[in-house]
Amino acid sequence: DAGVTQSPTHLIKTRGQQVTLRCSPKSGHDTVSWYQQALGQGPQFIFQYYEEEERQRGNFPDRFSGHQFPNYSSELNVNALLLGDSALYLCASSAWRESQETQYFGPGTRLLVL
Amino acid sequence: SQQGEEDPQALSIQEGENATMNCSYKTSINNLQWYRQNSGRGLVHLILIRSNEREKHSGRLRVTLDTSKKSSSLLITASRAADTASYFCATASGGSYIPTFGRGTSLIVHP
Repeated sequence: DAGVTQSPTHLIKTRGQQVTLRCSPKSGHDTVSWYQQALGQGPQFIFQYYEEEERQRGNFPDRFSGHQFPNYSSELNVNALLLGDSALYLCASSAWRESQETQYFGPGTRLLVL
Repeated sequence: SQQGEEDPQALSIQEGENATMNCSYKTSINNLQWYRQNSGRGLVHLILIRSNEREKHSGRLRVTLDTSKKSSSLLITASRAADTASYFCATASGGSYIPTFGRGTSLIVHP
């Protein structure tokens, strides 16, 4: 039973560029949430997708957008990258109609913006 | 903004000792969870405790919740070097199950 997978594991971009991160949820899960974790901080919620729609959003600018596909996998897109976007990006999956309380996290994508 | 705040920020102990980490929060919660993170990798869910519960156990882990003091503690008994990690508390409140994380406690267990 595969857990949550994310790709790529590491990424280096320059300011102003755009980036796409990918996530496949745990088998049986239909809800995907994205988090940003800066160095030395706890994860900060970006947004959550269910049934291919954004259901909740944290305090992040519109440069951060996402998508969910019919197979429940998800993408996080960040436009016009800033140095401050350097962070570990975590994807978490859960089951909408069961207990959403427990989220299963992937290993993360570490993004470095130069 | 971060709802939960862990204390201490860092903890260094010897293998076999117990480790206690605390979490304080500001508003009423639906549940509180503890997660572990090794070396900046993904988070591993440890325990969830709901607002109407006072104590939960899982193996060597014991979590308490005091809603009157808006605080929780995580006790790891008989610690091992493999317990070295960052530990985060996360709270969910209102109508949302989305957890809000604190900054974490960095635990080092020396063999």
